Amino acid sequence: QKEVEQNSGPLSVPEGAIASLNCTYSDRGSQSFFWYRQYSGKSPELIMSIYSNGDKEDGRFTAQLNKASQYVSLLIRDSQPSDSATYLCAVMLGYSTLTFGKGTMLLVSP
Amino acid sequence: NAGVTQTPKFRILKIGQSMTLQCTQDMNHNYMYWYRQDPGMGLKLIYYSVGAGITDKGEVPNGYNVSRSTTEDFPLRLELAAPSQTSVYFCASSSQEGLAGTYNEQFFGPGTRLTVL
Repeated sequence: QKEVEQNSGPLSVPEGAIASLNCTYSDRGSQSFFWYRQYSGKSPELIMSIYSNGDKEDGRFTAQLNKASQYVSLLIRDSQPSDSATYLCAVMLGYSTLTFGKGTMLLVSP
Repeated sequence: NAGVTQTPKFRILKIGQSMTLQCTQDMNHNYMYWYRQDPGMGLKLIYYSVGAGITDKGEVPNGYNVSRSTTEDFPLRLELAAPSQTSVYFCASSSQEGLAGTYNEQFFGPGTRLTVL
C-alpha cells in the first residue's frame, strides 16, 4: 500500500518567516514528487515538481528531495498571509498515478 | 486555453438518482483522472484514463463508471447515488512530458460539489 504522510497542522508562522512543510512516502521506487496548494473551497494548484535528489527553487518556493530517506519538503521564504492554505504532497511511482497526502494547513499571521 | 473545465459546479441528488459529471480539457493531454475529496482527507483516485478508449480503476471505483471516447472529454457517471458519494469531485489531466523537463504534472479543474440526500 503506497502511503504519503504529512503533518496535518496547522503550521503557524509570522509574516516574513520561512515555512517548512514536510512529507514522507512509503514506496522506495517513487520517482516523481509534487507540491500542490489548495485554498479553502478551491481546487489543488500545482506549485512545484521535483524528480531528483537535491533542491529545486522557484521564486519563494524551494522543494527538497531525499530519496534515501524517502522525504520531500517544501520551504516557503518570506511567507505572506496569501500563502495561508493547505499544502498537498503527492508522489508518483513510475508513470502511474499520484498518491496524495492529506495535506498540511499553513497559517501565516500578519 | 481554458484548461480543465467541469460541470456542474454544484448538484444535489436524491438517493437512487443518477447523474453524469462532465470534464473537458483543451490541453491535448493524454491522461485524465477523477478524484474525490472528503473533508479533512486527501484526494482519492476514482478512475483514470491514459488515452481515448482506455480506462482503469483507481482506489475507490465502486459506484462509478467512466468512458473516454475522445481525448478532450472524460465524463464520470454515478449510478444509484448514495449518501456516501457526497463529496467534492475533481477532474485532472496531464501529459507524460511537459515543459522544461517536467513530466506527469497534473492540472485540476474547479471541482463539482455533490450532495446526496
